[in-house]
Amino acid sequence: QKEVEQDPGPLSVPEGAIVSLNCTYSNSAFQYFMWYRQYSRKGPELLMYTYSSGNKEDGRFTAQVDKSSKYISLFIRDSQPSDSATYLCAMSARGSSNTGKLIFGQGTTLQVKP
Amino acid sequence: EAQVTQNPRYLITVTGKKLTVTCSQNMNHEYMSWYRQDPGLGLRQIYYSMNVEVTDKGDVPEGYKVSRKEKRNFPLILESPSPNQTSLYFCASSSWTGRVSGSNQPQHFGDGTRLSIL
Repeated sequence: QKEVEQDPGPLSVPEGAIVSLNCTYSNSAFQYFMWYRQYSRKGPELLMYTYSSGNKEDGRFTAQVDKSSKYISLFIRDSQPSDSATYLCAMSARGSSNTGKLIFGQGTTLQVKP
Repeated sequence: EAQVTQNPRYLITVTGKKLTVTCSQNMNHEYMSWYRQDPGLGLRQIYYSMNVEVTDKGDVPEGYKVSRKEKRNFPLILESPSPNQTSLYFCASSSWTGRVSGSNQPQHFGDGTRLSIL
């Protein structure tokens, strides 16, 4: 079993829809949770960064962490065609010898149709 | 502009011919790392460096070498490339407190190097 599981999709939605992207994980030591967006032929770009449980909102994006269920989500409101990309979740543990070690999900490919 | 720069962006080469992929960052970050991205496997860490002259293995280090002689540069070396190293490679950097118990900082990625080993 992978440490981080993410449905690769593809996910196709109409413009204006609310998008929900999810990851589950197995390592209870993970405390830092990130969402990256990756456009074709580009490197991952950090979207959201949260520590421990709770919600974080930034414009049309909301990140949720439920540590009790080992489940994280990214919501995109009023989705736009420019949101079409691959979304990667990533997480890391506090206090490990490699404090920068990130474990990534496979990525979910999102297409927002005009 | 803060950025991580990788070179080359694309390279096609043959088995056994040594190659180096350069990575440079202008953010004065202590931490740098190399990943490879393969379909169905996501991003996997190859090597990382917490500071100058400090490097360590990630999850898939076999067949790769790195060095960190300067803070801004972290080259990835393939001494004898093989076809299973055909992949998309990313370099990343982040600031780091220098304490194991310190907070993680998000990593910033370059735009990738697509390597094809024939």
